[in-house]
Parts: sequence; structure tokens; C-alpha cells
Amino acid sequence: AQSVTQLDSQVPVFEEAPVELRCNYSSSVSVYLFWYVQYPNQGLQLLLKYLSGSTLVESINGFEAEFNKSQTSFHLRKPSVHISDTAEYFCAVSPGGSNYKLTFGKGTLLTVNP
Amino acid sequence: DADVTQTPRNRITKTGKRIMLECSQTKGHDRMYWYRQDPGLGLRLIYYSFDVKDINKGEISDGYSVSRQAQAKFSLSLESAIPNQTALYFCATSETGNSRTGELFFGEGSRLTVL
Repeated sequence: AQSVTQLDSQVPVFEEAPVELRCNYSSSVSVYLFWYVQYPNQGLQLLLKYLSGSTLVESINGFEAEFNKSQTSFHLRKPSVHISDTAEYFCAVSPGGSNYKLTFGKGTLLTVNP
Repeated sequence: DADVTQTPRNRITKTGKRIMLECSQTKGHDRMYWYRQDPGLGLRLIYYSFDVKDINKGEISDGYSVSRQAQAKFSLSLESAIPNQTALYFCATSETGNSRTGELFFGEGSRLTVL
């Protein structure tokens, strides 16, 4: 079985500040890791994913996450946030080689203030 | 039009009533899922289906049932709704075959309130 812990339930920041949303996981097997974003009144959409290869993965809107196997972490970062990044962010894990039953963290609400 | 469509988007009902939430998809995916979202609890899997004849319970299936009427349709039923089933419900799909990545594609959600 796997589990995901998002260490912060809410992260308020000012516009153009850097941000880090923390995610730790536990699993007895190799995993795939994901960050999903949920904008207000919408469903979740994939932000970025780690499957294999380079441990640093990037999204098209400036977010990046680094897979750290020794620390079992997959923290999400952005060097300069915008008002439009305000959303809830979910870290998720699935067993590598088996693409069902994603396990989600409880979410981190990122609020970007002007 | 959305690739994953849920109806209704909002529903208020009373304790003891039967409720059906419907999901249809145009992505051509084999796998479909129902999740429940509660504030501070993230998403929890209710049921999932790998094809029309393969339906599986998730971590919180008690009080729910599902029907996979076709590859593109997956409905969730609450036979006798209770207030603690008040939540936001999401349908999702994923593809099989070579794309073993676990990526899910979500509908916009159905907000259910049980009074």
C-alpha cells in the first residue's frame, strides 16, 4: 500500500514570491508521482508527473518538481507565482507498472495575494 | 464540449432518497473511476471499472453502487442517501495499453447535498 502526505494544508504567498508545496510519500514498491491542480469550481487536471528518468520534471506554466528517492519526496516549486496560480494542489502516487488506483494527498490550497 | 461530462452538476436531496450521478466520456478510455472529495480529506476512490464487465470496489464503497452501461458511461448510485454523503463527486477516466502512467482525466464534478 502507498500513502501521500502533503505537509501544508494552506500556503498563502504574495504575487511574484517563490513557493514550495511539500509532498512526501511512502510505498513498498517503485512509484509514479503526480501533481494535480484544481482551480476554483473545476475538476482536477494534471500539472506534471514523474515516471522515470530525470528526477526534475517541469510543467508548461513554470512549476517544477523533483523526485527525491532517498527522502521519499516530490516537492512542487515555482520561482515566481501569479494571482492565477491560486488553486488547490494535490500530490498523488501510483505503483509503478500499474496505472490504476492513484492515491491522493489531502491537498494544499495555494493562495496568491496581490 | 468537455471530454468527461458529469450530470447533474449540483443536486440537493433528502435523507433516504435514491440518487444517481452520471458520467459519460468521449476520450475512448477503457478505465473509469468515481472519486469523492471532502474538504481537508483529498480525493478518495469509491469504485473503478477497467471495462464494461470489470467493476471493483475502492476504499469507500459502502453505501454506493455503480453501473457501467457502456464503455463511455459509468454511473454512481446512492440507494438511500444520508447526510454524510454530502460531498463533491468526480468521475475520471484513464487509458490502458502502453500508457501505463496512471494519469487521470477528470470531469468537472457533481456537488451533492443531502439534507
